[in-house]
Amino acid sequence: QSALTQPPSASGSPGQTVTISCTGTRSDIGRYNYVSWYQQYPGKAPKLLIYEVSKRPSGVPDRFSGSKSGNTASLTVSGLQAEDESDYYCSSYLGDNNVVFGGGTKLTVL
Amino acid sequence: HLQLQESGPGLVKPSETLSLTCTVSGGSISSSSYYWGWIRQPPGKGLEWIGSMYYSGRTYYNSSLTSRVTISVDTSKNQFSLKLSSVTAADTAVYYCVRHPAVGAGPIWYFDYWGQGTLVTVSS
Repeated sequence: QSALTQPPSASGSPGQTVTISCTGTRSDIGRYNYVSWYQQYPGKAPKLLIYEVSKRPSGVPDRFSGSKSGNTASLTVSGLQAEDESDYYCSSYLGDNNVVFGGGTKLTVL
Repeated sequence: HLQLQESGPGLVKPSETLSLTCTVSGGSISSSSYYWGWIRQPPGKGLEWIGSMYYSGRTYYNSSLTSRVTISVDTSKNQFSLKLSSVTAADTAVYYCVRHPAVGAGPIWYFDYWGQGTLVTVSS
């Protein structure tokens, strides 16, 4: 299966709002509400940020939000902070008990 | 507090079988509320789901790896394992063990707990 498409990089200044897109097809993102987002610092394991498109696990700041429109999901980071500089990955259910990830987006805080 | 810890050889020769174990602490692998799986990440690249298993033995594998992958569970040791056969350099990656929820014995597709990861290099 093909990976979901994410921009390789994104950036913003402290306090700004940044949105990272994740584009799939009508067979994955477009069909299922099983989109999740993960934050990964260098050398560390990914951490769940958003699940089922827009739900936040306990402990994740509400600066992070998720949404979906058609075949594209989005992660929005509001009030950008220096600690938000990391890699972000999206994931979607493909059906038939398979799941796929995006290629990742490196977020830089200017 | 749930913890997952991967263990196994860091170096595997081409054509051989990669074997890793994940030890779960702070929770039971026999819980009907969760699946346990493996995800890998080649150096500098993105994530790839390998497969997942329920405590009952039900397994799901990535369709691109299914011919080479076996995931098994040892409930007595609270561990689950990954075997990947006929490895090549393309299998070099950090391997993570993960947990994801289950509902009615079916998997829910997001990964809420991750091990720290272990690097496996395939080289002669």
